[in-house]
Amino acid sequence: DSGVTQTPKHLITATGQRVTLRCSPRSGDLSVYWYQQSLDQGLQFLIQYYNGEERAKGNILERFSAQQFPDLHSELNLSSLELGDSALYFCASSVPQMGTGAPGNTIYFGEGSWLTVV
Amino acid sequence: GIQVEQSPPDLILQEGANSTLRCNFSDSVNNLQWFHQNPWGQLINLFYIPSGTKQNGRLSATTVATERYSLLYISSSQTTDSGVYFCAVEGYNTDKLIFGTGTRLQVFP
Repeated sequence: DSGVTQTPKHLITATGQRVTLRCSPRSGDLSVYWYQQSLDQGLQFLIQYYNGEERAKGNILERFSAQQFPDLHSELNLSSLELGDSALYFCASSVPQMGTGAPGNTIYFGEGSWLTVV
Repeated sequence: GIQVEQSPPDLILQEGANSTLRCNFSDSVNNLQWFHQNPWGQLINLFYIPSGTKQNGRLSATTVATERYSLLYISSSQTTDSGVYFCAVEGYNTDKLIFGTGTRLQVFP
């Protein structure tokens, strides 16, 4: 158990719908990361938050948004879903280097949320 | 951005065999990690190794930062070692951990 909790574990929804994926980082970790893993794209970095603020952005679509709340949990919102959004979405957390937000140590991944868009 | 290449893409072994997986990266890094994704999709940390050598049981890893590569050694492989092994790196002045395309390992009894 990595200590990173993601919900829901599985989700099936229709095209055009909106879903929210939730992540609770490991206790004490200030940085939260979101990754998307699909069959044809591998593991793609989406976005990182550090202590509530957006720190780095990857290949995140405009239809997707995320935030990190004061209690450090994070949510990834996916809207206007398309078939191609079907993927395994991972959240990860780490203890950042002091003052930088960069991972100064191991990043731990949750078990992921399997999203199927039909 | 940094490019991460892993080789071989696929590896089939019989139980008990040894193997070496390689990760090449295109720029200097301040973070390099190896992960194992098991058949159930879980991503498990193996090593945090931006430089040097580490060992953990049958697994060991070496990163030669000056030459921009890292190696993961698996000795006496077991069927439970099956899955995909990813190398992920982070360059200086960036907060993105970029994953390679992985090496898919299948270990047969």
